[in-house]
Amino acid sequence: KNEVEQSPQNLTAQEGEFITINCSYSVGISALHWLQQHPGGGIVSLFMLSSGKKKHGRLIATINIQEKHSSLHITASHPRDSAVYICAVSLMDSNYQLIWGAGTKLIIKP
Amino acid sequence: KAGVTQTPRYLIKTRGQQVTLSCSPISGHRSVSWYQQTPGQGLQFLFEYFSETQRNKGNFPGRFSGRQFSNSRSEMNVSTLELGDSALYLCASSLEGVWGVGELFFGEGSRLTVL
Repeated sequence: KNEVEQSPQNLTAQEGEFITINCSYSVGISALHWLQQHPGGGIVSLFMLSSGKKKHGRLIATINIQEKHSSLHITASHPRDSAVYICAVSLMDSNYQLIWGAGTKLIIKP
Repeated sequence: KAGVTQTPRYLIKTRGQQVTLSCSPISGHRSVSWYQQTPGQGLQFLFEYFSETQRNKGNFPGRFSGRQFSNSRSEMNVSTLELGDSALYLCASSLEGVWGVGELFFGEGSRLTVL
């Protein structure tokens, strides 16, 4: 079993829909990262969370430490949100290494 | 503020050759980490450097090595290239925050093709 599991693997939605991507982990962590990768490879860090909730524009990230679960929400989705969204965790006993989820490929259709 | 710069962006090598990739972090960032991304394996951690010291290393063979210079620029080297080394190699820089690994800023990557 992977230490970081994301779901769904693939998600196709219509423009305007509310999107939720989930991330579950099985290890002790010091922080969780959500990142976005566009075709061509560039990766952008969206959020780094250790508790609670963060919001940036139409993006919202939440984390429940007790349940070892995080969600990334996109409100009023737009075709430019189409990308791969990756969850990664910083291990509690090794802050210098990240364990990566496999990513969720999101396609927003106009 | 300039972002993370990786060079070269694309390169083609043949089996048995060696390759060196470069990563210049954001000014002021002392942590540089390297990742390999392949379609089958996703993103995998290679190693992380901070102030010229390797702090952690992923599960890669000794053919993969790296170093960091006093100006925080980092290089990674792959010797005796194999076909399976074809991948996108990404580096990321960060400040070292309270949690050790702070927010990551990625370069565009170096796409290596081994023939």
